[in-house]
This record gives sequence, C-alpha cells and structure tokens, in this order.
Amino acid sequence: DAKTTQPNSMESNEEEPVHLPCNHSTISGTDYIHWYRQLPSQGPEYVIHGLTSNVNNRMASLAIAEDRKSSTLILHRATLRDAAVYYCILSVGGGNKLTFGTGTQLKVEL
Amino acid sequence: GAGVSQSPRYKVAKRGQDVALRCDPISGHVSLFWYQQALGQGPEFLTYFQNEAQLDKSGLPSDRFFAERPEGSVSTLKIQRTQQEDSAVYLCASSLRQGWGTYNEQFFGPGTRLTVL
Repeated sequence: DAKTTQPNSMESNEEEPVHLPCNHSTISGTDYIHWYRQLPSQGPEYVIHGLTSNVNNRMASLAIAEDRKSSTLILHRATLRDAAVYYCILSVGGGNKLTFGTGTQLKVEL
Repeated sequence: GAGVSQSPRYKVAKRGQDVALRCDPISGHVSLFWYQQALGQGPEFLTYFQNEAQLDKSGLPSDRFFAERPEGSVSTLKIQRTQQEDSAVYLCASSLRQGWGTYNEQFFGPGTRLTVL
C-alpha cells in the first residue's frame, strides 16, 4: 500500500476551522483517499473519502490536490468533540483492508 | 440501528492461556475485518472475511492467532498460548461488501482490550 505522511499533532481553538494535511506522493491511480478518526477509547470512525474531486459531507470537506499527491481534511468549525486522532489512508476501495499510520492527534481548546 | 459489537470489552489473561474474542458485525454486512492496535499506534490489519470465507490472513502475526466466521456473521478471533506482546486492543470492523465501483466504509466496534500478564 502507498504510504501517507501526516503531522504528529495539531492544535486548534474551538469554533475555528482546522486544516489537517496529508502527503501521499506515491499514490496510484486506483487509490481512494480515506479519512478516519478515532476518539479516545473508541474504534475508528469513517469521516470522508475521495478519489479525484473535492468532497463535502456533514462532517468535513476533503480537498485533493490536482496531482493527487496531497490532500487536506477540513473541519469547518472545530468543537471539543472533534479532539481525536485523524488517519489519512490510501486503498483501492472502502471495503478493502485499511493501512493506518500513526495519524494526527488533534487537540481542540476553548 | 445496532453497530458492531465486541465482547468482552476487557480481558486479562495469564501468559500461556488461550483467549477468544467475539465480534458481532452489522446485520447484512458481508465483509469483516480484524485489526490489532498497540498502545500509541494506529490499528494494524490482521485478517479479512467475505461471508464465511477467510480471504486474507496475511496480517496474523503467528500461527497462535486463528480467526473464524463459520456462518458468515459472528466472528471469533482466538489467540493460543498468549504472550505479553499480544497485549493490545483488538478491533473488529464490518462493511457492506468489498469491491470496485461502490464505496463501502468500514464500521468499527469499540474493541477488546487484552492484557497478558
């Protein structure tokens, strides 16, 4: 599986937007970009996915670079409940095995 | 609706004991995955089922680890002769199906925290 690189940690203030970057320079044409997050003491949960175009859902937005070698997860208004580890993952489809890295620990402060 | 459930939530075993961890996937989900998460690390893939067929077991760390899903629904991960390095959270996930063209996210259970003394 192609590798992703994320910062170890990021901080944000509540109610502000958060941009979580991910580099995936070895992405292949068939790889989806997935984001999952893991709240403390819980299993990971799906956030969003994309292939080539930017995507929006009720949780977040995903901005994908034109060359697909990087992407950014955007939380439009961070809340305390968004404090979690965010994982950027590549795989050929959503129902395939996921290769997690160490992710980005997002801290949200009042 | 009901999500993925796992039992027990916590398990303490003495080194050398056998343990069995249960996963109840979301009803109707064809695909089932097991992952192992060591402290401070991301989850690592162990094995994958499509219905009752175990299609990928490349992540199982040793022959002490065995998984089954005999009727294509509930799955059990068994670890024989547990070792201290087996201490981790074991996560189960299910998805509607695997395949190209249709995206199916994985739904994770809360995990079973195994501690081997």
